[in-house]
Amino acid sequence: EVQLVESGGGLVQPGGSLRLSCAVSGFTFTSYTVNWVRQAPGKGLEWVSHVNVGSDLIDYADSVRGRFTISRDNAKNSLYLQMSSLRVEDTAVYYCVRDWSWAFDHWGQGTLVTVSS
Amino acid sequence: QSALTQPPSASGSPGQSVTISCTGTSSDVGGYNFVSWYQQHPGKAPRLLIYEVTKRPSGVPDRFSGSKSGNTASLTVSGLQAEDEADYYCSSFAGGRKWVFGGGTKLTVL
Repeated sequence: EVQLVESGGGLVQPGGSLRLSCAVSGFTFTSYTVNWVRQAPGKGLEWVSHVNVGSDLIDYADSVRGRFTISRDNAKNSLYLQMSSLRVEDTAVYYCVRDWSWAFDHWGQGTLVTVSS
Repeated sequence: QSALTQPPSASGSPGQSVTISCTGTSSDVGGYNFVSWYQQHPGKAPRLLIYEVTKRPSGVPDRFSGSKSGNTASLTVSGLQAEDEADYYCSSFAGGRKWVFGGGTKLTVL
């Protein structure tokens, strides 16, 4: 069974940092590109970042570029999102998502990040 | 990266058909056949319903179908059932390695 399990969310003050992790199982991690997608409370989905298998093709939404860094450790079957200079508007559930046939076919359960003073 | 435009709400009675639109630009929806649709029930993660405009992953009922014309994609839900009541999101590849989502449509089964 394909599983993606996020962790690392929590409450952080504006300007602070947080590192999200996503542990995957049930599929060959080194065969898939993976993404982070977020959803602010009561709002729609927003694509955040993408990393390919070799970590040489990475991109970010304009809203997080320069503040967030995506990475993966293929040996540990894990995806990460280092978030810094956090803003109130970064408050959201962050999903770890597998890329397949130009779509997002498997999603984690999400981890909530709350940026507030 | 502007969000794709979806109607905020849609509704239909059990057994009826409902179509949800998703309008983008020639840089996303109109430029690529990489539109996908997702269903999200409250408190749950999204579920992939349609990929590459018209294709259904295994396990998705054929009541769900997708299409595209120009810069607008559509999701049609036929034979509405109570469990179809959910939020629906479209997404499109937007070039490079970027993706864009629609604002979401809340489907109500009357």
